[in-house]
Amino acid sequence: ILNVEQSPQSLHVQEGDSTNFTCSFPSSNFYALHWYRWETAKSPEALFVMTLNGDEKKKGRISATLNTKEGYSYLYIKGSQPEDSATYLCAFIDSGGGADGLTFGKGTHLIIQP
Amino acid sequence: SQTIHQWPATLVQPVGSPLSLECTVEGTSNPNLYWYRQAAGRGLQLLFYSVGIGQISSEVPQNLSASRPQDRQFILSSKKLLLSDSGFYLCAWWSGELFFGEGSRLTVL
Repeated sequence: ILNVEQSPQSLHVQEGDSTNFTCSFPSSNFYALHWYRWETAKSPEALFVMTLNGDEKKKGRISATLNTKEGYSYLYIKGSQPEDSATYLCAFIDSGGGADGLTFGKGTHLIIQP
Repeated sequence: SQTIHQWPATLVQPVGSPLSLECTVEGTSNPNLYWYRQAAGRGLQLLFYSVGIGQISSEVPQNLSASRPQDRQFILSSKKLLLSDSGFYLCAWWSGELFFGEGSRLTVL
């Protein structure tokens, strides 16, 4: 059983502040790391698919970094807005490569307070 | 474009009753399909996946079963629900990332 840990479990942030949270995963047999955003009453949607050590991805105010050697990824949100409120899931894929090998963390529940 | 739908969205079932959740995908052929469950306080857990008609792989032993009677149809079933089957069920298909359906919230009483 692969161990994918996300911290913190929940986070309250004032609107306009920046924030970040962590996903840790096994540092061996790495294939890919996914970030998904899951808004209330919607389906999870992929934010980033990261495959290379040192990868940095950006989408608007949200960015992510990847360190496969030490087994962690950070998700950053700059200037948080109420619409950023969601649960952020990371998912690790080992070197098998198929989605059957995709292990999810429990998520970070982010609440942006106006 | 590809779309994925699942239903029903919400259901409340007594212990021991049967279950059927259905998922269909449009706009693609021979998709890899998945059933996930999120139980309270837990991450998304893969229950079943299918790479083709009639091909089902089970990740977790349980009283649930899955079937794929058609290329773009994936069904999750149970003959007798347990309290522990309560949770949020998501169907998904894979194309380099997972694309999820709308989800089905099951409460077993």
